[in-house]
Amino acid sequence: DIVMTQSPDSLPVSLGERATINCKSSQTILHSSNNKNALAWYQRKPGQPPKLLIYWASTRESGVPDRFSGSGSGTDFTLTISSLQAEDVAVYYCQHYHSNPITFGQGTRLEIK
Amino acid sequence: EGQLLESGGGLVQSGGSLRVSCVASGFTFSSHAMTWLRQAPGKGLEWVSGISGSGGSTYYADSVKGRFTIFRDNSKNTLFLQMNSLRAEDTAEYYCVKDPTTVTTGYFDLWGRGTLVTVSS
Repeated sequence: DIVMTQSPDSLPVSLGERATINCKSSQTILHSSNNKNALAWYQRKPGQPPKLLIYWASTRESGVPDRFSGSGSGTDFTLTISSLQAEDVAVYYCQHYHSNPITFGQGTRLEIK
Repeated sequence: EGQLLESGGGLVQSGGSLRVSCVASGFTFSSHAMTWLRQAPGKGLEWVSGISGSGGSTYYADSVKGRFTIFRDNSKNTLFLQMNSLRAEDTAEYYCVKDPTTVTTGYFDLWGRGTLVTVSS
């Protein structure tokens, strides 16, 4: 199984500052069908189900603010929030979908410093 | 945008059976693959099973293969997970999630709120 490891586990960031969350896969997740990295990012706020933010590593889901961006290749990926807003406090998960079994990172808790 | 509403969770004894359901609304259900995920208390998210939009293709995690069956009734916009031979380690919140395409792409653009399954030993 592909193991997804996120860092850090917890990230305190000041309002208006940049937040960067890392995700590392134990092997390449480049999808042969389209030569894109099969990686998604989700945001989970307390009491709510997770919300899709990014797929194919860098494609922003419709309606997601453009302060959220995804990047990376090979086995190293990053979710960046360019200017942290109060409503961005949540747990963030990465997930690969290269092959079954799909697996998730353990989550990164983003908080206000 | 759509909505997914799970039900059917509860307390069951080890070795017992349970069927959880997920009613979909707000989108063309048959045009989307669907998946069950779960999260055990204090643990991470785990993929359990997926099914194509037609129901013709199904996929299972090794941990549930042979015990769980995923199926769907497109006429009723409902996804099911039949769980047999339940074990304590199956205790989790079970989430119904929607794939953006008919075949299982593997990422999920709509999540339900979950239904809790507790297996007592």
